[in-house]
Amino acid sequence: DAGITQSPRHKVTETGTPVTLRCHQTENHRYMYWYRQDPGHGLRLIHYSYGVKDTDKGEVSDGYSVSRSKTEDFLLTLESATSSQTSVYFCAISSDRGGFYGYTFGSGTRLTVV
Amino acid sequence: SQQGEEDPQALSIQEGENATMNCSYKTSINNLQWYRQNSGRGLVHLILIRSNEREKHSGRLRVTLDTSKKSSSLLITASRAADTASYFCATDLLQGAQKLVFGQGTRLTINP
Repeated sequence: DAGITQSPRHKVTETGTPVTLRCHQTENHRYMYWYRQDPGHGLRLIHYSYGVKDTDKGEVSDGYSVSRSKTEDFLLTLESATSSQTSVYFCAISSDRGGFYGYTFGSGTRLTVV
Repeated sequence: SQQGEEDPQALSIQEGENATMNCSYKTSINNLQWYRQNSGRGLVHLILIRSNEREKHSGRLRVTLDTSKKSSSLLITASRAADTASYFCATDLLQGAQKLVFGQGTRLTINP
């Protein structure tokens, strides 16, 4: 999607290995979010950022960490991947707190942990 | 449990018919938004309705909000095959942090 890219698009990794997903935006938006999408659960928030070096936990943050050292990049790290973290991961950006103009989503990263 | 819950989980209709999806939520909100997701893609923002609004239109989309019942509906009129997708409601909580909470979605199939 325009203004936001996720990498990689697909990844297969082994249990116990660390994995980092990247979200890059060119919109200069303040707010960035990481969600995971699983069948039967919809989208669940993992972590979000409200500015450079300002991050907070979402509802399913265990096993994940994030970093935002500059406005355009928001990294999601699975510290030691487990099979339960097999999912599709979406990054989203917003210019305002409540998403008044809507969130813009990336195309997703499909992660498989074997 | 989820803040927003869509109903039905799946809906299949003929092209040209109207499609109605519902969303219920639990706590007070600032606004409610609807998103569409085509298979294998990210979500796309469709429409936002504020807590002090009751109805909003955008093209073939009509959204209603009943804050007393904590529910919203999305109506797609004169459906097309291209409307086949999953539709999600998302709520900006009045007492929440800086994030939207998404429901589980309604899978809509438009049959030619």
